[in-house]
Amino acid sequence: VLTQSPGTLSLSPGERATLSCRASQSVRSNYLAWYQQKPGQAPRLLIAGASSRATGIPDRFSGSGSGTDFTLTISRLEPEDFAVYYCQQYGSTPLYTFGQGTKLEIK
Amino acid sequence: DVQLVQSGAEVKKTGESLKISCKGSGYSFTNYWIGWVRQMPGKGLEWMGIIHPDDSDTRYSPSFQGQVTMSVDKSINTAYLQWRSLKASDTAFYYCARTPQVWFDAWGQGTPVTVSS
Repeated sequence: VLTQSPGTLSLSPGERATLSCRASQSVRSNYLAWYQQKPGQAPRLLIAGASSRATGIPDRFSGSGSGTDFTLTISRLEPEDFAVYYCQQYGSTPLYTFGQGTKLEIK
Repeated sequence: DVQLVQSGAEVKKTGESLKISCKGSGYSFTNYWIGWVRQMPGKGLEWMGIIHPDDSDTRYSPSFQGQVTMSVDKSINTAYLQWRSLKASDTAFYYCARTPQVWFDAWGQGTPVTVSS
């Protein structure tokens, strides 16, 4: 099970966002990814392997963590960053698990 | 560019069958697994299963085993998700996504499925 916190995060553009993802069991080999989903759109891969930005992802997005505790940080929020963020792990049963999501909204 | 293009919106009645599709382009289709993800209205993402286009090796989530069938036609770079008998609770968006078997690095635009009685 992946548990994301907080459920909703209210911040202003320019502020720093810190999103948490906690796993009930250790995530092997950092098989942890983060996705962004905007309303009416498909999810988009942001971070793979816990800390590697996917192609085309701005460097204000960063991922960190290992074992059971992972963090997605957005250093300075842009208006287009307000969305829902999901973490996802690979390797246990079921093979893929998503967190329940964190909604990042404009304060 | 890597693209996954899904079939269009479906409106069905309970008990009907359905098959939706996902066509890949811009990459070697048989080198990556294709996964399917459900998103019910206003809810989060749920992994349904994955299929390998080269040999049709399939892994289902326990939650979806027996409820859906995944298939692929590698001659036309297309993966499919099908239901034999739809339920109202199958109403959702369904996404296909490419995966090197760890994370999903390219997604289709989604197929909305509405099932009513």
